[in-house]
Amino acid sequence: QQPVQSPQAVILREGEDAVINCSSSKALYSVHWYRQKHGEAPVFLMILLKGGEQKGHDKISASFNEKKQQSSLYLTASQLSYSGTYFCGTERGSGNTPLVFGKGTRLSVIA
Amino acid sequence: GAVVSQHPSWVICKSGTSVKIECRSLDFQATTMFWYRQFPKQSLMLMATSNEGSKATYEQGVEKDKFLINHASLTLSTLTVTSAHPEDSSFYICSAPTHRGNEKLFFGSGTQLSVL
Repeated sequence: QQPVQSPQAVILREGEDAVINCSSSKALYSVHWYRQKHGEAPVFLMILLKGGEQKGHDKISASFNEKKQQSSLYLTASQLSYSGTYFCGTERGSGNTPLVFGKGTRLSVIA
Repeated sequence: GAVVSQHPSWVICKSGTSVKIECRSLDFQATTMFWYRQFPKQSLMLMATSNEGSKATYEQGVEKDKFLINHASLTLSTLTVTSAHPEDSSFYICSAPTHRGNEKLFFGSGTQLSVL
């Protein structure tokens, strides 16, 4: 079942912050975050594995609330290079199973 | 460098023709690969799971006779769009499980298909 992302789109000025949310109606044991530029493959950002876990990568971090079946991606002091579409993905099961992606959040950072 | 190679990057074809897209794992074996389709400004939608040496598993609503998947070796999966129509125009992208670190899937670079 496809996770639900919000907002659908957001426009930021350089230096501003943003939060992208991802929720699922099914139990989650991991959430995967990707960023995709137009016409390119998605690029892996991070995976959240444990309940309540918060991971960071440069000025991009994420949290995972296993009980609420939600994850949030935090973009701090946004840069122009952050523009793109962000997808959260959830695993269908364990082992060699595919990721099911949300509809995406289109982020535009302007100068 | 890229660990999943996908070719071609883009293709334009006439309606009614067939198009083959290749996906290769470069330095690892992939018994399973996943094919996704993405329409403009939409999500990556899983089409099918390609299994080496056996039949592919298709998602609900995906026509298996139209989207032929062959996974003949541990490093190669192909997707053939048969009798392509303009509505098949889309971005097709393959992926393979990594079994490395935290990243679950390696993605190919994608194929933009335009059917005239």
